[in-house]
Amino acid sequence: GDSVTQMEGPVTLSEEAFLTINCTYTATGYPSLFWYVQYPGEGLQLLLKATKADDKGSNKGFEATYRKETTSFHLEKGSVQVSDSAVYFCALIGGSNYKLTFGKGTLLTVNP
Amino acid sequence: EAGVTQFPSHSVIEKGQTVTLRCDPISGHDNLYWYRRVMGKEIKFLLHFVKESKQDESGMPNNRFLAERTGGTYSTLKVQPAELEDSGVYFCASSRSGRGTDTQYFGPGTRLTVL
Repeated sequence: GDSVTQMEGPVTLSEEAFLTINCTYTATGYPSLFWYVQYPGEGLQLLLKATKADDKGSNKGFEATYRKETTSFHLEKGSVQVSDSAVYFCALIGGSNYKLTFGKGTLLTVNP
Repeated sequence: EAGVTQFPSHSVIEKGQTVTLRCDPISGHDNLYWYRRVMGKEIKFLLHFVKESKQDESGMPNNRFLAERTGGTYSTLKVQPAELEDSGVYFCASSRSGRGTDTQYFGPGTRLTVL
């Protein structure tokens, strides 16, 4: 079945550091890929998505590129801020499905 | 546009009791989903409604869980009787279509603790 593997946290960075959170997936067909973020005390919010190979999703300075050859969708940001502290979830919807399959989540803490 | 809302935000109950969680989707979203995150595990799909019809309830853990969506508007998820392993955060999401490329918008979740 479909699965998502993302790097285990927690990840602690200083402000303005470069961020990478690795995400790889296994899926049948051609999945759509997502990054969701959960800020403290809030629900899940869609951060970005990509629906076909080589697409790049971007939002709020975050980027992720759909790499079919490596089955990856790594999240990157060039300069993190304290306000980026949150839990980040990589997810996919496989083929003609509609169920989101999530990774375990990565807790990011950014210190001033 | 109001987002997905869930009630209550927290619930603490004793084993064997009944709890009902409510979800109000974004207006006009025919598709409604329930997911659950048990401590330390992934967020898992529970079920999917299209309007008032259950399209897929393959993720429901067992028959102690009952979901309804009367009139195709809000949805309830009842756990009866609750067990310790039911503790976790229950998320509701909605989308306009059921296509895989369509964004699912999540509510803040209900944290359920069964003692």
